Amino acid sequence: KAGVTQTPRYLIKTRGQQVTLSCSPISGHRSVSWYQQTPGQGLQFLFEYFSETQRNKGNFPGRFSGRQFSNSRSEMNVSTLELGDSALYLCASSSVPGQGMNTEAFFGQGTRLTVV
Amino acid sequence: KQEVTQIPAALSVPEGENLVLNCSFTDSAIYNLQWFRQDPGKGLTSLLLIQSSQREQTSGRLNASLDKSSGRSTLYIAASQPGDSATYLCAVFRNNNDMRFGAGTRLTVKP
Repeated sequence: KAGVTQTPRYLIKTRGQQVTLSCSPISGHRSVSWYQQTPGQGLQFLFEYFSETQRNKGNFPGRFSGRQFSNSRSEMNVSTLELGDSALYLCASSSVPGQGMNTEAFFGQGTRLTVV
Repeated sequence: KQEVTQIPAALSVPEGENLVLNCSFTDSAIYNLQWFRQDPGKGLTSLLLIQSSQREQTSGRLNASLDKSSGRSTLYIAASQPGDSATYLCAVFRNNNDMRFGAGTRLTVKP
């Protein structure tokens, strides 16, 4: 059974540009959550999608958005990139919404975004 | 607001030692708590999941305990090995369906 796949693994962008990151959950999982990890702030929750609907959102500006497709694959978009957006972006999948409720969250290896 | 604290921030031990990592959280209204391992530059690997109604979980050399009333969890690693070197993160799953992480404990096990 394939794990959570995130693409690309590494990305370098310039300030002001936009970026799209992709996450394919474990087959059969319909919940995908996104997290940002930085040395200063640690791991922070961005948002969760289940059945193409955003169920929950963390405390991030509107420049961060996402969507989920009918095959449960999810994309995260960051517009007008800032230097502070440089981070490891992780996605996690689970079989039920509200991941962590009676089930484990499975993480991908992440996309390391560097904004220069 | 849920805050998750992990102590110590870093730990270095000789191979073979037993060790304890600590995690504390401020809001006891959690569904469960999960311990993860993260190797440099990589994603998270789930180690143990403890439901809010449980007191502990064991997997191999790992044992995690949960005391909701005091807002504490510990991860016990027996007979540590160099391959255990990694950052260990605890995460609490809150009632509003999001996950809050501690900053992690960076463990180094020296051969």
